[in-house]
Amino acid sequence: GAVVSQHPSWVICKSGTSVKIECRSLDFQATTMFWYRQFPKQSLMLMATSNEGSKATYEQGVEKDKFLINHASLTLSTLTVTSAHPEDSSFYICSAREVGRIEAFFGQGTRLTVV
Amino acid sequence: GDSVTQMEGPVTLSEEAFLTINCTYTATGYPSLFWYVQYPGEGLQLLLKATKADDKGSNKGFEATYRKETTSFHLEKGSVQVSDSAVYFCALSGRNTGNQFYFGTGTSLTVIP
Repeated sequence: GAVVSQHPSWVICKSGTSVKIECRSLDFQATTMFWYRQFPKQSLMLMATSNEGSKATYEQGVEKDKFLINHASLTLSTLTVTSAHPEDSSFYICSAREVGRIEAFFGQGTRLTVV
Repeated sequence: GDSVTQMEGPVTLSEEAFLTINCTYTATGYPSLFWYVQYPGEGLQLLLKATKADDKGSNKGFEATYRKETTSFHLEKGSVQVSDSAVYFCALSGRNTGNQFYFGTGTSLTVIP
C-alpha cells in the first residue's frame, strides 16, 4: 500500500514550452501533497505544499506563476512548469500524505531537461 | 527554525562492515523523525520512522533510535551489503513544522564487495 505514482519519469522539452507533471496516490487519499526540486547530489528543496481543493502554499523564492500547482482531487496533484527555460532543468519529486499518517510517500521523480 | 543536520559523505564501506550515519535535529515541540533512502534516478523510499522519544525504528536490518536528550536519530546497520548503496536522508516533520518535512543534506553510501 501507500504507492505514489509520478508521470512522466523523464521529459525533454524545448525552451518556452510548458510541461505538466502528474502525481497520483494510487491506494490512498492524499489530503496534502508536496512538490520538491532536487539538484544533482543535493537535498530536496520544498517548492510548495498543496491541499486538496485549495491554493498551494509556495516557499519563498518559488515563482507561483511559473510553477503552477493544482490539487483538484484527493488522488491527483499536478505541477506545470510554464515557459520552461534551461535553468528549470532538474529532478522534480512529489510526495503525498494520507490523513492520520505521519509519514509521506514519494513518487519516483521526474527528470526534466529543457533544451 | 526546525532543521536537520546530517553527517556529510560520501561514505565508502566494505561489504559486511558496520554502518553509522549521524543525524541531529533542532526542533520546537516533538517532531517525528524519519530516514528515507534514494536509489539512483528514483524518488525517496521510507526506510524507518520514530514518533516519540526512545522509539526505535527498524527495517531491513537498519535501526535508529529517537534520542531526545541528544536530539539525535543516528542510522545504523550491523552488516551492509552492496545493495545498500544509495543516498540516505534524515528528516523531521510535525505539527510545529506545519506537517512539512525538513530534510538533511543526504549521505551517499557506497558499499564495495
